[in-house]
Amino acid sequence: DAKTTQPPSMDCAEGRAANLPCNHSTISGNEYVYWYRQIHSQGPQYIIHGLKNNETNEMASLIITEDRKSSTLILPHATLRDTAVYYCIVPNYGGATNKLIFGTGTLLAVQP
Amino acid sequence: DAGVTQSPTHLIKTRGQHVTLRCSPISGHKSVSWYQQVLGQGPQFIFQYYEKEERGRGNFPDRFSARQFPNYSSELNVNALLLGDSALYLCASSLASGSGIRETQYFGPGTRLLVL
Repeated sequence: DAKTTQPPSMDCAEGRAANLPCNHSTISGNEYVYWYRQIHSQGPQYIIHGLKNNETNEMASLIITEDRKSSTLILPHATLRDTAVYYCIVPNYGGATNKLIFGTGTLLAVQP
Repeated sequence: DAGVTQSPTHLIKTRGQHVTLRCSPISGHKSVSWYQQVLGQGPQFIFQYYEKEERGRGNFPDRFSARQFPNYSSELNVNALLLGDSALYLCASSLASGSGIRETQYFGPGTRLLVL
């Protein structure tokens, strides 16, 4: 089972910031939080990941709470092309395997 | 640089047939993983390979098999196809430098398989 919970859907106005929450209350100290998105019928696209510090790249920012039980992905200026399903994932490092367990994700609809 | 490539992009088979899907990882990446995504659901882990060895297997029947070649490309084989095998099959690669494989996975565009 996925270690994360996300709202099933969110709306955002074009040009505004999109803030996508994720709960991962059972995360362990050495487990990362990864975010991917999937635009309809395409392969998932890596966005960003973090351990405990906030992270920023050209696509998004990731804010992780101090207790690491939740995080927020921020798209600073959403565009129509950001409409996608966003997945928050804590990889399963079982043995020698790095397995991504996808939940249902959040469908972000950016409105014009 | 080229990303993960998969072939074919689309495939139609009939029940009972066999299918082979191919994946080329990002140059320099040594680990390949396969995922199945049924319509309306998130991707599900099938296999992970590193240095030509199977490192992990998801909850899939023995009809599913895979292998990784010396150039790190990979094939996913599915025998005795069922209607329920219709899905988007995704390949992901990761650098897997050093002793670990706990690195970011980058996905290809997928192969859409339809079983009639």
